[in-house]
Amino acid sequence: NAGVMQNPRHLVRRRGQEARLRCSPMKGHSHVYWYRQLPEEGLKFMVYLQKENIIDESGMPKERFSAEFPKEGPSILRIQQVVRGDSAAYFCASSPRQGGSYNEQFFGPGTRLTVL
Amino acid sequence: TQLLEQSPQFLSIQEGENLTVYCNSSSVFSSLQWYRQEPGEGPVLLVTVVTGGEVKKLKRLTFQFGDARKDSSLHITAAQPGDTGLYLCAENTGFQKLVFGTGTRLLVSP
Repeated sequence: NAGVMQNPRHLVRRRGQEARLRCSPMKGHSHVYWYRQLPEEGLKFMVYLQKENIIDESGMPKERFSAEFPKEGPSILRIQQVVRGDSAAYFCASSPRQGGSYNEQFFGPGTRLTVL
Repeated sequence: TQLLEQSPQFLSIQEGENLTVYCNSSSVFSSLQWYRQEPGEGPVLLVTVVTGGEVKKLKRLTFQFGDARKDSSLHITAAQPGDTGLYLCAENTGFQKLVFGTGTRLLVSP
């Protein structure tokens, strides 16, 4: 009865490197959301995906960030050429369908990215 | 753009005290959720409120949704150290993404 799983829990990268963050949704969930929590700031929506489709990426920075949710395997949030400002906690959430009336989402433990 | 303001920003109390935190919006909520986030973890859903004037109870936690659906409150009775955490309200925008409030950091000391 595993919840949303994210790995790694902690990731350290040097400026200019790539960061790959993985998210496995809860069993039976086909909708995945990524959020970012900057230090001393609230959670901000980044992207919403269904299997093999990006539905809403209105919160994603235009450059260096991409996300995918392939037919098989976890969802991946990829950050290319990381900068210090990318240091944050990245959370993945999943829901079993298109949210229903309440869009109840279940969150993973997050990946804490530190850029040196 | 919906803005969700939470107050107070920080709250430090002794075990056994009661407290209330608030979530206010610039416009009407479609539905509202409350989450608690502990250090180093992801947010955990506490409750969803949908109907104006609705009151929901979860053990020592009481959630109210304003009649006009523009505000909500969370009241904790006899707070315990285990209640320590970041309390977040969030709106379901109807477009699948959640918009989170600014959060209230609660510290309950023994």
